[in-house]
Amino acid sequence: DQQVKQNSPSLSVQEGRISILNCDYTNSMFDYFLWYKKYPAEGPTFLISISSIKDKNEDGRFTVFLNKSAKHLSLHIVPSQPGDSAVYFCAARPRSSYGKLTFGQGTILTVHP
Amino acid sequence: DAGVTQSPTHLIKTRGQHVTLRCSPISGHKSVSWYQQVLGQGPQFIFQYYEKEERGRGNFPDRFSARQFPNYSSELNVNALLLGDSALYLCASSIGGNEQFFGPGTRLTVL
Repeated sequence: DQQVKQNSPSLSVQEGRISILNCDYTNSMFDYFLWYKKYPAEGPTFLISISSIKDKNEDGRFTVFLNKSAKHLSLHIVPSQPGDSAVYFCAARPRSSYGKLTFGQGTILTVHP
Repeated sequence: DAGVTQSPTHLIKTRGQHVTLRCSPISGHKSVSWYQQVLGQGPQFIFQYYEKEERGRGNFPDRFSARQFPNYSSELNVNALLLGDSALYLCASSIGGNEQFFGPGTRLTVL
């Protein structure tokens, strides 16, 4: 039972353009959502998060949007840079389980110079 | 400040053996969570410990166990290793649990 889904295994974008990574979830108990970036041979690095009481959160080039009615969130990266090339995971947790994250399968982002 | 550290980096074991993986959280972090990541998938939650008590367990068999020590470091133990246990094992620490910070992982290969 895949409660967090990233339906696009990969995404290719030109440098300077926008990258949009999507994530869907099914568990209505999830109330906190996070995005992580992972390079090969490294652990996931926290990027940005959003609480269910918000619908948007920005941090520099990264913006996360949350649509609770559609159970959908997206990560926008503007402008994309070659150094952003990595695997991106969305993750979610319910209010009652602070230390338990449920991850999606990941999306490989490639930003071409 | 040092990040989350894990040891060893790589490990090769044979089926039926036992393995112990170690994790040191970021200073001041009292919560440690363990995840298993197999190739092509996202990390899957195994355990969470907070103040030396188990606070959550994922859908893993009893061959998997863990503990947390008074200094908040943690061990993950896996008994009777199977080929399917080959994976990257990630440790994450946090203060309140919202933003978890991950270590580089231990790559376990079971032959």
